[in-house]
Amino acid sequence: GEDVEQSLFLSVREGDSSVINCTYTDSSSTYLYWYKQEPGAGLQLLTYIFSNMDMKQDQRLTVLLNKKDKHLSLRIADTQTGDSAIYFCALGSSNTGKLIFGQGTTLQVKP
Amino acid sequence: EADIYQTPRYLVIGTGKKITLECSQTMGHDKMYWYQQDPGMELHLIHYSYGVNSTEKGDLSSESTVSRIRTEHFPLTLESARPSHTSQYLCASSAMTGFYEQYFGPGTRLTVT
Repeated sequence: GEDVEQSLFLSVREGDSSVINCTYTDSSSTYLYWYKQEPGAGLQLLTYIFSNMDMKQDQRLTVLLNKKDKHLSLRIADTQTGDSAIYFCALGSSNTGKLIFGQGTTLQVKP
Repeated sequence: EADIYQTPRYLVIGTGKKITLECSQTMGHDKMYWYQQDPGMELHLIHYSYGVNSTEKGDLSSESTVSRIRTEHFPLTLESARPSHTSQYLCASSAMTGFYEQYFGPGTRLTVT
């Protein structure tokens, strides 16, 4: 089955850029997503990218997709303390409509 | 405003009790899902539904059961709670077509003593 891997922890200084990485095994996914989870809350959809795109930018967020290496990344520019959260990448299966989630990366932003 | 709701937000209950976690959405979505999130943060799909009277088990085996009698309502029931059921339970919904993105409720933190 599909396997989605993320590093578990990232620490950055306020104002720096953060890059959260995700690798996957199955290349049949049509849509790839980034979700944010703040403490005690559900998951919030941040952004998504179609599998036929290489890059998508949305304000401070940049998503890069390298299909050859099966690598997805989320870059947060000018990281703020309010960005501290757990970030999940997820792949959408066009066959089942289900999402396959990575383990989540905890982003710690130091002032 | 279209949204997805879960109640209760927090529940502490003794072993052997029957519990029902509520999930409702006003987004008009056909698909609904239940995830269990363990302390290591990973999400596990335990149940999903593609419409009224349709329920399926997810990727992680669970002793819980679900029902889908109304489109907007997808409750999860544990007949006899055990400490091993202590976890965060997240409900989500998505449209039948489109980008498959799922929208999540705030979650229910269940503690079984």
